[in-house]
Amino acid sequence: NAGVTQTPKFQVLKTGQSMTLQCAQDMNHEYMSWYRQDPGMGLRLIHYSVGAGITDQGEVPNGYNVSRSTTEDFPLRLLSAAPSQTSVYFCASSVRRSGRVTDTQYFGPGTRLTVL
Amino acid sequence: SQQGEEDPQALSIQEGENATMNCSYKTSINNLQWYRQNSGRGLVHLILIRSNEREKHSGRLRVTLDTSKKSSSLLITASRAADTASYFCATEKETSGSRLTFGEGTQLTVNP
Repeated sequence: NAGVTQTPKFQVLKTGQSMTLQCAQDMNHEYMSWYRQDPGMGLRLIHYSVGAGITDQGEVPNGYNVSRSTTEDFPLRLLSAAPSQTSVYFCASSVRRSGRVTDTQYFGPGTRLTVL
Repeated sequence: SQQGEEDPQALSIQEGENATMNCSYKTSINNLQWYRQNSGRGLVHLILIRSNEREKHSGRLRVTLDTSKKSSSLLITASRAADTASYFCATEKETSGSRLTFGEGTQLTVNP
């Protein structure tokens, strides 16, 4: 199993550009999520999904869109990049117990995004 | 404010010593998880402890959970230089369902 994969590893954007960060998992996990991590800080939840066709907002959703058309893929779209979105982005997946409780999160290696 | 807050923010010890990190949270939880992050890398899961459990062990790691005090501790025994990393606790609130909240982490440095 490849686990959770993310592409690209690094990206530089100009203010106002849009792009999509890719995330895929091959563990048949229901739950997938996107976090951002700013220097010296913990992770903040952007969006999450509990299954194909179902997404919801986390703590910091503004400026980002997601969709979940398949169990495997959960892309994150930046609509109009801003310098405040410079960060490291992590995707994670897990099973859900009893239909609502998350379990061990498996993280991808991250995407380092710089917005100039 | 963050649901999970780690203490201390930074910890520096010698190889062979034990390291203890604490995590406090504010509301009732389903579970609490500890993760390690090496510099520039993704997070790696260490231990998950459920709200009805009080203690769990995994190798040199021991996690305790005190729901009455809304706190958890992670103990690393006989530390090694390779344990140098940031350690984060993450909580799932009982009412949030599927939303993990991470603390800001403890930076552990183990000196050879």
